[in-house]
Amino acid sequence: KAGVTQTPRYLIKTRGQQVTLSCSPISGHRSVSWYQQTPGQGLQFLFEYFSETQRNKGNFPGRFSGRQFSNSRSEMNVSTLELGDSALYLCASSLMGTSQETQYFGPGTRLLVL
Amino acid sequence: SQQGEEDPQALSIQEGENATMNCSYKTSINNLQWYRQNSGRGLVHLILIRSNEREKHSGRLRVTLDTSKKSSSLLITASRAADTASYFCATDERAGGTSYGKLTFGQGTILTVHP
Repeated sequence: KAGVTQTPRYLIKTRGQQVTLSCSPISGHRSVSWYQQTPGQGLQFLFEYFSETQRNKGNFPGRFSGRQFSNSRSEMNVSTLELGDSALYLCASSLMGTSQETQYFGPGTRLLVL
Repeated sequence: SQQGEEDPQALSIQEGENATMNCSYKTSINNLQWYRQNSGRGLVHLILIRSNEREKHSGRLRVTLDTSKKSSSLLITASRAADTASYFCATDERAGGTSYGKLTFGQGTILTVHP
């Protein structure tokens, strides 16, 4: 099976712009989670989607949003970018998103905000 | 916020030596997982240990879990230069409800294995 894919791999934006990142889960996986990784805060959970519904959300401002499509692909959007949004954004997929399952991660999208 | 604290923050060893990393967490959990990350790339899943398990092996990896102390350790035996990476523990919190799709990560241990 193909692994989790993320596009684009690298992105440079300027403050105030918005950005959309895409994640395609492993075939058959219906749960997609998003994480932000920064040197200062480490890996932090953003949100989780299952069957096009957001079931869980981390402690991030409303500028961070996401959605999931009927084929389980997911996008996350960050509006009004700030310098502090520079990070590696990782998505992970699992079958159902339950605690019994392993999450499989994509290679990440590295976002640089200038 | 990070639930896990990992110790040490950095570890430097020679090829063939064993590497031990520790992780502590704060809340009750269902499972604890260990992941590896090479140079800021994606995370690779290594092993999952359930809260009712005390020890688990996978190849050169040995993981222990002590729920009474809220701690886990990862042992890599006979390390290789290719094991050079950051290692993270991740937990799912056994909250009142179900914490769908959320893992809480430690700060990680940077392991360097010298040839």
